[in-house]
Amino acid sequence: SQQGEEDPQALSIQEGENATMNCSYKTSINNLQWYRQNSGRGLVHLILIRSNEREKHSGRLRVTLDTSKKSSSLLITASRAADTASYFCATDAQGAQKLVFGQGTRLTINP
Amino acid sequence: DAGVTQSPTHLIKTRGQHVTLRCSPISGHKSVSWYQQVLGQGPQFIFQYYEKEERGRGNFPDRFSARQFPNYSSELNVNALLLGDSALYLCASRHRTGGIMSYNEQFFGPGTRLTVL
Repeated sequence: SQQGEEDPQALSIQEGENATMNCSYKTSINNLQWYRQNSGRGLVHLILIRSNEREKHSGRLRVTLDTSKKSSSLLITASRAADTASYFCATDAQGAQKLVFGQGTRLTINP
Repeated sequence: DAGVTQSPTHLIKTRGQHVTLRCSPISGHKSVSWYQQVLGQGPQFIFQYYEKEERGRGNFPDRFSARQFPNYSSELNVNALLLGDSALYLCASRHRTGGIMSYNEQFFGPGTRLTVL
């Protein structure tokens, strides 16, 4: 079963707007990672945030982590058509040897 | 540098057959993990291998098995295929296995699309 719940399941916005996706999880974690997947292909690693970090930036990406609420958000600023993809959060739980993925958010950027 | 590579890209099998999927990790990475992604869902963990030993196993039947070779490449085997085994099979590598405080990113290959008819 999947640990994470992502919200929303689908998001459609205009090019240039910001996109925010949320992820909730259930157990204590070492880190949380966000991935992008285009059309059922392999996963591209976007960003990793450690359990002792609260916010991290990478280019147009901003990730926050609230371990007290067991939640994370991914903000993509100034969206582009090429950002159209599915986005997954994945948790690296303490003592586990695996990533646990959410169901994903399908993001569509309209030109 | 080459990323994680997987072969074949696509595969079509019939129920009851056996399949072997292959993965080569990023050079220097000793840990390989396998995930199954059914259409419309997130990936599900199947196995993790580190230094040729199984270090983790997901909730999959014994029809699924894997191994890691001395060069750290890996094979995933699935016996007695079922229609429900149709999925994208993803391989991921990381530098070392997760410990108490693991910060290693996992890098995924392009996947093998398996269709069972």
